[in-house]
Amino acid sequence: DADVTQTPRNRITKTGKRIMLECSQTKGHDRMYWYRQDPGLGLRLIYYSFDVKDINKGEISDGYSVSRQAQAKFSLSLESAIPNQTALYFCATSEVAGGIIGEQFFGPGTRLTVL
Amino acid sequence: AQSVTQLGSHVSVSEGALVLLRCNYSSSVPPYLFWYVQYPNQGLQLLLKYTSAATLVKGINGFEAEFKKSETSFHLTKPSAHMSDAAEYFCAVSEDTGGFKTIFGAGTRLFVKA
Repeated sequence: DADVTQTPRNRITKTGKRIMLECSQTKGHDRMYWYRQDPGLGLRLIYYSFDVKDINKGEISDGYSVSRQAQAKFSLSLESAIPNQTALYFCATSEVAGGIIGEQFFGPGTRLTVL
Repeated sequence: AQSVTQLGSHVSVSEGALVLLRCNYSSSVPPYLFWYVQYPNQGLQLLLKYTSAATLVKGINGFEAEFKKSETSFHLTKPSAHMSDAAEYFCAVSEDTGGFKTIFGAGTRLFVKA
């Protein structure tokens, strides 16, 4: 079974709709992240959470919100979707061990299209 | 604040040729550096990472990268390209200021010609 799962994998929606993307992990990591990927722009950080009570905005948080329901679950919401939020969205997890940042483990991605 | 620049959004090599993907970083403190690979329709997976131990880092699938502080570079190389190396590659930097937030480069797509 995959360590980081995302649902749905694909979603087409209309402008103005509320959308929730869900992420679950079985790695036991405290840190979770949401990124969006656009061609030529790489990955840009939307929100990140270092534990259940710690949520932080990333570089492009406008128009998005998140919820950390448990250590294993981190959801991303688009309150009112707009076409320029069409992108590939990734959830990731990581941990810090011995004062050293570890690698990030990524989910398979959610392809979101806003019409 | 840290940043990452990947030189060349597309690189094309022949099968069996040297692969060189360039990455330069900016960081106010000693950085942690990563290379990730993304195959079509998949998430990113780690190729290798530098965490202040040896400056030459070996990763999976025959890839390696060398940390050069004087040049603020962390270029990725592989002596002989294989068709299966065709993918997008991302360089990333993280630093221990306020929690190890990671910044990714824009990515380099590698094409391998038969």
